[in-house]
Amino acid sequence: DAGITQSPRHKVTETGTPVTLRCHQTENHRYMYWYRQDPGHGLRLIHYSYGVKDTDKGEVSDGYSVSRSKTEDFLLTLESATSSQTSVYFCAISADSGNQPQHFGDGTRLSIL
Amino acid sequence: DQQVKQNSPSLSVQEGRISILNCDYTNSMFDYFLWYKKYPAEGPTFLISISSIKDKNEDGRFTVFLNKSAKHLSLHIVPSQPGDSAVYFCAADWAGNNRKLIWGLGTSLAVNP
Repeated sequence: DAGITQSPRHKVTETGTPVTLRCHQTENHRYMYWYRQDPGHGLRLIHYSYGVKDTDKGEVSDGYSVSRSKTEDFLLTLESATSSQTSVYFCAISADSGNQPQHFGDGTRLSIL
Repeated sequence: DQQVKQNSPSLSVQEGRISILNCDYTNSMFDYFLWYKKYPAEGPTFLISISSIKDKNEDGRFTVFLNKSAKHLSLHIVPSQPGDSAVYFCAADWAGNNRKLIWGLGTSLAVNP
């Protein structure tokens, strides 16, 4: 299995509080992604990174920011959490050579009350 | 507008029989297609992929068929086992897309003993 660790695995917090989710990889892969999964919507890309300090928006980036200061870590921040951001969040990584699949972490279940 | 469509939200199959999961796409630039399997409370797991220069790729019980003229791909599982019960996602990519996969909404497969 690809070495991807997401933390925390579960979090409950209140509306308006800041939340940071961490994705850590041991594969030295260039690409990292943050997705959310919600019923009826499949997997939706929030932000992705194509290198250290190189990030870009996905299809549902409003209300989220990311940072990647090291190859191995990709942080997702909800500056002021809202109930609509209650979801399961997945991190994924992929290598840089040719056609490569993305490999996923086990997810973070985030509940915002 | 969904570029990757999995028109069957669910599928039920008897153990030992063939499972066929279908996926249609609209973007003719796609050149790499993937199937993922997802169990509850886990991240998606890469299953099998196919390049657009091929029309078939096989890995054990799993075979993916690509029909470019019809913009259609299918995943065959033979024989189906109860452990195959999961949600299956189809995804597509093309060179120059910065490795951002385009995802279908998934098909939930139930394999009955």
